[in-house]
Amino acid sequence: AQTVTQSQPEMSVQEAETVTLSCTYDTSENNYYLFWYKQPPSRQMILVIRQEAYKQQNATENRFSVNFQKAAKSFSLKISDSQLGDTAMYFCAFRGGADGLTFGKGTHLIIQP
Amino acid sequence: NAGVTQTPKFQVLKTGQSMTLQCAQDMNHEYMSWYRQDPGMGLRLIHYSVGAGITDQGEVPNGYNVSRSTTEDFPLRLLSAAPSQTSVYFCASSLSQLLASPLHFGNGTRLTVT
Repeated sequence: AQTVTQSQPEMSVQEAETVTLSCTYDTSENNYYLFWYKQPPSRQMILVIRQEAYKQQNATENRFSVNFQKAAKSFSLKISDSQLGDTAMYFCAFRGGADGLTFGKGTHLIIQP
Repeated sequence: NAGVTQTPKFQVLKTGQSMTLQCAQDMNHEYMSWYRQDPGMGLRLIHYSVGAGITDQGEVPNGYNVSRSTTEDFPLRLLSAAPSQTSVYFCASSLSQLLASPLHFGNGTRLTVT
């Protein structure tokens, strides 16, 4: 069974700053995907970015990028030029089998004006 | 596009009552699943289905039943509600069970059991 650990329950940064959310995971699978989901106060789950384990290049989506270190089983999310709308819960998730996603416990990110 | 639709949005039950949480998707997705979200616990998988007529248990299946008679619908049944089932429930679907297939989530149902 796989586990996903997010060690930062809450983070707070000023608007326009860069922030990095950490995520580590444990698995015996060789092929898998990693995801970051955003959950704003509306409760909606929004896919931010995903990374395939076999791809060495780090995924990027506009202001969001990841630092994927496969050997260290680390998958951090970097948010550049943070905006007030980035305030949300962020969940790291792992998918390695047919069942579904394994989620971390989440990081509550607060962007201060 | 409706995407994944969950009903109801909110529900209050008394201990021992039964109810069904509805989930429907209009994207012709083969894979559907149910998660529960509790404070400080992230989301945990309850049950999932890789196609019509096929269901399987996730991490926390006790107290819940599912069926998948059509591709579009995947209801979650609580036969005898308990306070420990107070949670926010999410239905999610993807085109297939392939790892790359991203999950699309419904907007959740907040259930309170008193």
